[in-house]
Amino acid sequence: EDQVTQSPEALRLQEGESSSLNCSYTVSGLRGLFWYRQDPGKGPEFLFTLYSAGEEKEKERLKATLTKKESFLHITAPKPEDSATYLCAVQANDYKLSFGAGTTVTVRA
Amino acid sequence: GAGVSQSPRYKVAKRGQDVALRCDPISGHVSLFWYQQALGQGPEFLTYFQNEAQLDKSGLPSDRFFAERPEGSVSTLKIQRTQQEDSAVYLCAGLGDGGYTFGSGTRLTVV
Repeated sequence: EDQVTQSPEALRLQEGESSSLNCSYTVSGLRGLFWYRQDPGKGPEFLFTLYSAGEEKEKERLKATLTKKESFLHITAPKPEDSATYLCAVQANDYKLSFGAGTTVTVRA
Repeated sequence: GAGVSQSPRYKVAKRGQDVALRCDPISGHVSLFWYQQALGQGPEFLTYFQNEAQLDKSGLPSDRFFAERPEGSVSTLKIQRTQQEDSAVYLCAGLGDGGYTFGSGTRLTVV
């Protein structure tokens, strides 16, 4: 059974204070690892898909990396508008996404 | 439409009541998914449609849950005899060339 564990559960940052979120996974046959952002009362919003170990993707202040066992989401010089819950999900040999519980990031001005 | 539309946004049901949740996917999205998200948790897979065919319903928690997509577009998730443990956000997602697109969900509260 696919397992996705995210840490920490919550992260409080000062504006400009860079940090990283971790997503550890166990899956048989990874087709893709996804990062989503979820704001309160909204559905998950797509950020990145990573397909193979060593791959990296960037978007504004966010950078996602992937190894064979985990993925990191690096937030560089965060701003208050980066406050959200960040979800990691894996897709194995079918169409389902298996999600972690998320990391709630709060960035204070 | 431009995005996945779900209605109602909020639903309060008395225990034992039946509810129906609607999902209007992006036009042309053949694949449609329902997920359940409990408070403080990530979404969990419920069921999957390809056009009007329900290809996987392995995530439905009990036989009180039923989903349909009769014409391959709009989908309805029905929960019969609601229980308190059914309280959650129900998310609908479509799969297109750009990946999965989620709706904003329906927050169901069973009292």
